Amino acid sequence: GAVVSQHPSRVICKSGTSVKIECRSLDFQATTMFWYRQFPKQSLMLMATSNEGSKATYEQGVEKDKFLINHASLTLSTLTVTSAHPEDSSFYICSARTAKSNQPQHFGDGTRLSIL
Amino acid sequence: EDQVTQSPEALRLQEGESSSLNCSYTVSGLRGLFWYRQDPGKGPEFLFTLYSAGEEKEKERLKATLTKKESFLHITAPKPEDSATYLCAVQLASGGYQKVTFGTGTKLQVIP
Repeated sequence: GAVVSQHPSRVICKSGTSVKIECRSLDFQATTMFWYRQFPKQSLMLMATSNEGSKATYEQGVEKDKFLINHASLTLSTLTVTSAHPEDSSFYICSARTAKSNQPQHFGDGTRLSIL
Repeated sequence: EDQVTQSPEALRLQEGESSSLNCSYTVSGLRGLFWYRQDPGKGPEFLFTLYSAGEEKEKERLKATLTKKESFLHITAPKPEDSATYLCAVQLASGGYQKVTFGTGTKLQVIP
């Protein structure tokens, strides 16, 4: 099946640090990748959608200068949380899908980000 | 406004006690409905895609069905390892980047 690898799985860092999270599709070409944020006991909240080689499309209320997304290849997207603060602490999950119509998204295992 | 609602929020079953989870949606133009399973601290794991009313998909003890307004995930004779949160998501026919909308999930606990 389709495999998506997300790294790191957990990050603990000081306030003001920038954190980069990687999302890789291991066995398929990911034309589109998605970044989600999930709060405890809540569902997935879409932050942004990125297509390979294009600028990411951010959801309303998500600061694009705060959450930098790069999707430079068909197998890799990165999310950088710039100058992270405690309120940015959350569970971040990426997903990837191919360009084929109606195909599901396949998810990474998430990154638990804790800002002290 | 497009909405996806899952019920119940939580479900506790005895091992072997069959039941169903519901996902109802009010969207204009459904392209596909997806079911996922999410274990604590992990990303969602894809289970099924349903495209049109009347369609059914099965995998081991799970069976997903779709009507024009809702989908059911039937769990037959569940085992403790089926304990997880089950998420449904809908993909609209419109939308340039094929965004999906997730429900809030049903947390299933199967007790031995």
